[in-house]
Amino acid sequence: AQKITQTQPGMFVQEKEAVTLDCTYDTSDQSYGLFWYKQPSSGEMIFLIYQGSYDEQNATEGRYSLNFQKARKSANLVISASQLGDSAMYFCAMREAYNTGNQFYFGTGTSLTVIP
Amino acid sequence: DAGVTQSPTHLIKTRGQQVTLRCSPKSGHDTVSWYQQALGQGPQFIFQYYEEEERQRGNFPDRFSGHQFPNYSSELNVNALLLGDSALYLCASSPDRGWVEQYFGPGTRLTVT
Repeated sequence: AQKITQTQPGMFVQEKEAVTLDCTYDTSDQSYGLFWYKQPSSGEMIFLIYQGSYDEQNATEGRYSLNFQKARKSANLVISASQLGDSAMYFCAMREAYNTGNQFYFGTGTSLTVIP
Repeated sequence: DAGVTQSPTHLIKTRGQQVTLRCSPKSGHDTVSWYQQALGQGPQFIFQYYEEEERQRGNFPDRFSGHQFPNYSSELNVNALLLGDSALYLCASSPDRGWVEQYFGPGTRLTVT
């Protein structure tokens, strides 16, 4: 089974609008972390936001927020007030505390295009 | 403060050849992980090095090997290259006790012909 599933290969959003990128995960570990990374065309992975499995509040970092629904095993990224510079690939990732420890699992990504 | 650096940026090799990719971690980081990202896919974990030893390995054949030096820099070696090894190879560094921090380098684009 896939550890991380991103079902939206591509998304379009109007500049200044909000957009939600979907991510579901699969783990039997009780302690894990969920991450979102942005990958521009240059290739470098840029860390955006982190949510721990025991965190009760949804994580927020500036215009990024993570909608964490533990029972549904989903960790959707919400980008508010989209900007042209947000156009990039976005990857959801997970790290398990015990099962696999140091390994990050990534989804297949969502390509976001911001339209002027 | 320099981030994670990788060399070379691009590389073209022929099937059957061997290749070495290099990574220098971010200052203060002692753990290096390597990932393979095929076109249109997410990164796949190859292995992680800490204290000059391979600490964890993903589902990659023995043709993929690595090394970590006393200054924490690392090398990824791939032997007997296959066409399917063509990918972006990403290096990430983190402090050993850092659960969240993982900084990626710009990657090395390997093309096997």
